[in-house]
Amino acid sequence: AQSVTQLGSHVSVSEGALVLLRCNYSSSVPPYLFWYVQYPNQGLQLLLKYTSAATLVKGINGFEAEFKKSETSFHLTKPSAHMSDAAEYFCAVSPAGNNRKLIWGLGTSLAVNP
Amino acid sequence: NAGVTQTPKFQVLKTGQSMTLQCAQDMNHEYMSWYRQDPGMGLRLIHYSVGAGITDQGEVPNGYNVSRSTTEDFPLRLLSAAPSQTSVYFCASSPRLAGDEQFFGPGTRLTVL
Repeated sequence: AQSVTQLGSHVSVSEGALVLLRCNYSSSVPPYLFWYVQYPNQGLQLLLKYTSAATLVKGINGFEAEFKKSETSFHLTKPSAHMSDAAEYFCAVSPAGNNRKLIWGLGTSLAVNP
Repeated sequence: NAGVTQTPKFQVLKTGQSMTLQCAQDMNHEYMSWYRQDPGMGLRLIHYSVGAGITDQGEVPNGYNVSRSTTEDFPLRLLSAAPSQTSVYFCASSPRLAGDEQFFGPGTRLTVL
């Protein structure tokens, strides 16, 4: 069965520091990959997605992610954290093929300290 | 466009009561889904629909019913509320199943006493 693993349910960084949120997936074929962000008391919104074009994907708010097939990873990074980045981040996979429902990771809560 | 709208924002029910959570989208999306979000459990798919008149179960469908009579609307019915259904419910829509962004509503926070 397909699965998504987000390493670290809580990540804390200082303002201005590098943000690295990890996501690994299991899939026998190259999937579609997504990162969503959820700000407090809001719905989810798309940060970025990988759909088999460039392996380095740039998203909104300065975030980017790199698809590494050999490592089955799609880690999210941002060079310099801002206080407004504090949120819950979800990685999701849409496996290629007939069954295309999104498979979600459990989420990583990012805290940004002043 | 209003996007995906959900009503109500908050609801408190007593055990055994029934209610309908409303979801509507104005983007002419084929695919709509309902999720519940619980602490430490991420998002779990309750039911989904790939078009008007077509619905299917997700991973946690028990205690919930859905219907899709129009492209725009996808209500979620709780038949007999239980405390285990206390959660935040999100509706989402997307143009098709694979590779397309899912657009989320703002959520309904439900408490069952």
